[in-house]
Amino acid sequence: QVQLQESGPGLVTPSGTLSLTCGVSGGSISTSNWWSWVRQPPGKGLEWIGEIYHGGTATYNPSLKSRVTMSVARSKDQFSLRLNSVTAADTAVYYCARVSVAGIPFFDYWGQGTLVTVSS
Amino acid sequence: SYELTQPPSVSVSPGQTASITCSGDTLGNKYACWYLQKPGQSPVLVIYQDNKRPSGIPERFSGSKSGNTATLTISGTQAMDEADYYCQAWDSSTYYVFGTGTKVTVL
Repeated sequence: QVQLQESGPGLVTPSGTLSLTCGVSGGSISTSNWWSWVRQPPGKGLEWIGEIYHGGTATYNPSLKSRVTMSVARSKDQFSLRLNSVTAADTAVYYCARVSVAGIPFFDYWGQGTLVTVSS
Repeated sequence: SYELTQPPSVSVSPGQTASITCSGDTLGNKYACWYLQKPGQSPVLVIYQDNKRPSGIPERFSGSKSGNTATLTISGTQAMDEADYYCQAWDSSTYYVFGTGTKVTVL
């Protein structure tokens, strides 16, 4: 059973950079799956941030593309998210998730989520 | 940008059927999936590719699509089904889009 676990600072100052890592256990990150980040502002809906393949190829939500960078550390079975120039609007629970390989993409495994607050 | 619209809330009595709709332009040309999310928890996939149920998901959850509207149906709704439900679709130009979310209340 694949498990994902987010880690990183829970508080980021405005205009700073949000950095999170997702650890994958119970399986390897070097599979046919893509790996994604999804966020959810308090009391609001879900928003896809981007996805990355173990080879390093990444795709980002066009609305966030100018501020997002994702990377992968295959030897550690981890992938990471960096979001720069953050504002209070970036305050959210950030989830990492696995994209299923069963045809059309959807998320079959999710991390427990980590709350990141942007505040001075 | 592409949008998927859901009703904000649906109320259902225990044992009855709840139906949640998800509408979007050209949704008929995409596959829809559905997630439930209980307070403080991560989303859980309950339906994928319009009407397929992952292993471990009860048979009372079913999905369908007609035209540009996908529907999640919960038959014999139980108190444990009270949650927020989100639809999601994907295509190569819009990538992953989530619906606005529906709060299901079991009265």
